Amino acid sequence: DAGVTQSPTHLIKTRGQHVTLRCSPISGHKSVSWYQQVLGQGPQFIFQYYEKEERGRGNFPDRFSARQFPNYSSELNVNALLLGDSALYLCASSPGDSHEKLFFGSGTQLSVL
Amino acid sequence: AQSVTQLGSHVSVSEGALVLLRCNYSSSVPPYLFWYVQYPNQGLQLLLKYTSAATLVKGINGFEAEFKKSETSFHLTKPSAHMSDAAEYFCAVSDWNGGSQGNLIFGKGTKLSVKP
Repeated sequence: DAGVTQSPTHLIKTRGQHVTLRCSPISGHKSVSWYQQVLGQGPQFIFQYYEKEERGRGNFPDRFSARQFPNYSSELNVNALLLGDSALYLCASSPGDSHEKLFFGSGTQLSVL
Repeated sequence: AQSVTQLGSHVSVSEGALVLLRCNYSSSVPPYLFWYVQYPNQGLQLLLKYTSAATLVKGINGFEAEFKKSETSFHLTKPSAHMSDAAEYFCAVSDWNGGSQGNLIFGKGTKLSVKP
């Protein structure tokens, strides 16, 4: 079975632009979470969606938004990109809404110039 | 609020030597604790988790961790390091803030190097 897949794997944007990152969870998983990992730091929670509803939001500005589709895939959108948004964005899926069985994708490396 | 502190951003051991990666936590409620490993250019893989059952938790690849409430610690150990263990390791605690149960709070990570 396929694991969590994220696209694109790498992305280069300039300040002020908008970006959309995509995630497909493991088949049968209904929850998707997004994490930001800045170089040299641990991942930081951005959003969790379960059954297409937002279940949690981390301490990120409103420029960050997300949604989950009927097939449980998800998009993370970031508007008005800043240099500090450069990071590895990780998507994780789980069967239910608990964090106990998170399966992570390989991430999207976003560089903002 | 929950938090974790990983002591040592870099740890270097010789192949066959004991691996000890340190993690201390802070939690206002009984914690759920996790260790994840991240290989270069990959996502995170769960090594093991503590969810208030046995205090000594065995994980994959020969790793184990012991929950010590009196020391607020959850250190990761492996008796004999292998070259393939070279990676970055993250300790995490569940964020039981009364809201979402779906997020973890990660430490800053410890990069493990294994020398031949």
